[in-house]
Amino acid sequence: DAKTTQPPSMDCAEGRAANLPCNHSTISGNEYVYWYRQIHSQGPQYIIHGLKNNETNEMASLIITEDRKSSTLILPHATLRDTAVYYCIVSRLVGNQFYFGTGTSLTVIP
Amino acid sequence: EAGVAQSPRYKIIEKRQSVAFWCNPISGHATLYWYQQILGQGPKLLIQFQNNGVVDDSQLPKDRFSAERLKGVDSTLKIQPAKLEDSAVYLCASSLRTGLRSSYEQYFGPGTRLTVT
Repeated sequence: DAKTTQPPSMDCAEGRAANLPCNHSTISGNEYVYWYRQIHSQGPQYIIHGLKNNETNEMASLIITEDRKSSTLILPHATLRDTAVYYCIVSRLVGNQFYFGTGTSLTVIP
Repeated sequence: EAGVAQSPRYKIIEKRQSVAFWCNPISGHATLYWYQQILGQGPKLLIQFQNNGVVDDSQLPKDRFSAERLKGVDSTLKIQPAKLEDSAVYLCASSLRTGLRSSYEQYFGPGTRLTVT
């Protein structure tokens, strides 16, 4: 069973920041927050993950609230190629079984 | 580096027939996963291997689905006999599974789209 709640869809203007929220109110202390995305007809692609500190890489930033019950994935300058379904997943680092849920379908508009 | 390879990419069979999917993970990846993704849903884990041993197969319908990873590298997933509700994309993924923090990322193949008529 998915342990996360995400809005089913969002739009974002090209070049603007896309902020994708995720609620994970039942997250355990040893569970990480992972974000993956799936572009149409492709397998899911890893974006970023974190435990309690904010994280940034070349693709995105991950902001985790202090109580760890929610997080936000930020794509700083969305492009048309960022149109995809974005999945927020909570999982332990060891024995990491992923429950994907239905994700957020992000559409970047020209 | 080469990614996760899967074949075939597409398969159409009639119900009650058998089908097999093949997966070649990224070289050196000890952990291999098979997922089922029904249209409009997120991927669902079917089975997880660590080297050639099964770690979790709790969601695998064992009366018709089987999977093996004999030499700890390639893996096959078989459905026998297929039902209409097995129509889905079957995704294979692999991960490194070491003590390195970044090594727990799962790398997915392109999937096999199965249509059962």
